[in-house]
Amino acid sequence: AQSVTQLDSQVPVFEEAPVELRCNYSSSVSVYLFWYVQYPNQGLQLLLKYLSGSTLVKGINGFEAEFNKSQTSFHLRKPSVHISDTAEYFCAVTANTGTASKLTFGTGTRLQVTL
Amino acid sequence: DAGITQSPRHKVTETGTPVTLRCHQTENHRYMYWYRQDPGHGLRLIHYSYGVKDTDKGEVSDGYSVSRSKTEDFLLTLESATSSQTSVYFCAIRPTGWNTEAFFGQGTRLTVV
Repeated sequence: AQSVTQLDSQVPVFEEAPVELRCNYSSSVSVYLFWYVQYPNQGLQLLLKYLSGSTLVKGINGFEAEFNKSQTSFHLRKPSVHISDTAEYFCAVTANTGTASKLTFGTGTRLQVTL
Repeated sequence: DAGITQSPRHKVTETGTPVTLRCHQTENHRYMYWYRQDPGHGLRLIHYSYGVKDTDKGEVSDGYSVSRSKTEDFLLTLESATSSQTSVYFCAIRPTGWNTEAFFGQGTRLTVV
């Protein structure tokens, strides 16, 4: 079975500073990895996804993530955050197993950007 | 935006009563999921479906049942609601394929008193 671990429940950061949100995964088969963002009182929307190929993935709103197979990680980064990036971020994984496609989420990281 | 609608959006119910939440999609996607979101737990999978009448349990399925009699509808039923089932429930849909993106509904806030 696949799983993801988000190492930080909250990350405070000042506006225009860089940020990294950490995600580690576990699976015995090939995985597909996603980052989603949830703004207050809304559903989740996709930031970016890693399927195969280049290990550096670029997403919306200036975010990027790097897939590291040896460290089983998929950390999310942004070089300069904005107040509007304040939200909860979820790492998710699905794996090529059987006939059903189970999509598993981490516990989330709350990014709080302040002036 | 993907055509996915959850109903109701808010509900307050009493302990011991049955409750049904509905997820309706207009995208004809194969996979449908029900998650609950609680502080400190992220999104936890309750049940999911990979086709009409094809469903399976997630990690927190106790006390919940689901049905999918049509591609577009995925119903989540709490047979006898308990206070521990107070939560925000999200439905998600995904097209066929291992690596496809999931699209989420706006959520249903359920309070069991």
